[in-house]
Parts: sequence; structure tokens; C-alpha cells
Amino acid sequence: GAGVSQSPSNKVTEKGKDVELRCDPISGHTALYWYRQRLGQGLEFLIYFQGNSAPDKSGLPSDRFSAERTGESVSTLTIQRTQQEDSAVYLCASSFNPGQETQYFGPGTRLLVL
Amino acid sequence: GENVEQHPSTLSVQEGDSAVIKCTYSDSASNYFPWYKQELGKGPQLIIDIRSNVGEKKDQRIAVTLNKTAKHFSLHITETQPEDSAVYFCAAIGTGTASKLTFGTGTRLQVTL
Repeated sequence: GAGVSQSPSNKVTEKGKDVELRCDPISGHTALYWYRQRLGQGLEFLIYFQGNSAPDKSGLPSDRFSAERTGESVSTLTIQRTQQEDSAVYLCASSFNPGQETQYFGPGTRLLVL
Repeated sequence: GENVEQHPSTLSVQEGDSAVIKCTYSDSASNYFPWYKQELGKGPQLIIDIRSNVGEKKDQRIAVTLNKTAKHFSLHITETQPEDSAVYFCAAIGTGTASKLTFGTGTRLQVTL
């Protein structure tokens, strides 16, 4: 079946502009996660959704970052007033349930802030 | 919170040899430990995982071992092939951490002919 999809695959923006990144999880998966991966580094947790609620936003690096999920499906990660240090790959994952369950990752959105 | 350390950062082996990657974790409550393989330009793909109620798990050429007392777990790849070349990440998830994975910093495995 279809896996996790993300769009756009690549995004180049100018410093100070806002960007929206989209994630379509696997159908029926109730849990959705956003991670950030800087070049050559591991993945950093950003935010987790259970249904449309976000019980854990602890990884969002600043108030310029926000995310929402609607219809217990699609999620959007928004970065306002982008900075060069926001350049990274933003990865989305989903799992059938939260907890100790396999998280399936999408291909990521590569964001470059000039 | 949880902290996961991973070694080595790079590993080069000849085709057919074995590769071992080791990780340690800090939170004794962690009870789920997946390993992901990431190829260039792609998202991480789960290759094997282990839960804290078992000490070892195998899947063909891949095995993972877990030592809860020492809080470390290892990935073993036998009979390595060039297509095993990638970056491998270990991760841990514990109870009460809202399901977020804490990742190691990755190991770049190069399998040479």
C-alpha cells in the first residue's frame, strides 16, 4: 500500500519568508510525528500528534514553528520568518498507534533557506 | 530525557565481512529499540527492532542484541553486500515519552568490493 508521502520534496526560500510543509500519513495511522535532520546529523524530534491533538510539542525549536493536523490525516508544519539555521530535511513519520510501535518515515522535504 | 549514543560514526568493511554498530541509552525505562537504514536522499527505513522483553532478534543477515542491564544494544550485519552501504541509525523510545524516538547520531557503513 501507499507509504508516508511528503510535499514538496525540495523547497528553496529566502530568509524571512514563511514555508509550509505537508505530510500525508499512511491511511489508518493515528499517530504522526515530525522530525528534523540537519546535514550529516541524526534526527531531532519536533512534535507528535495523536489524532488531531498534539500531546508533545517539546521539540519545536521556537515559536516560529507550528504544526497542525486535520481529519486525523494530513499534517502541515509551518515555519514563519525562516532563518538560515532552519535549513534541514524535515521528516514525517506515522504509526498505527502511539507507543512502542513501528514508525514509518516519508522521504522528507529538503528545505534550504538562502 | 533519553540520550542515545552510537559508535562508530563511520565503518568500512569488505564485502562478505561482518559489521557491528553499537548504541547505548540512558533511560532505563526505554523499552523499544528500532534500527533504521537511510540511503542518500531518502527517508529512514526500519530494518529491525527489538523490545525489552527479549535479548536477541534475527532476520536473515541482520541481528540485534539488547543488554538491559548495561543499557546497550547492537546491530550485527553478516555477509555484508555493497547494497548494505548506507547510514544506520539506532533509536530508543521509552514509556511516558509520548512515543517520540530519540536517535543516535548515525553510522556511515561502506562495504567495499
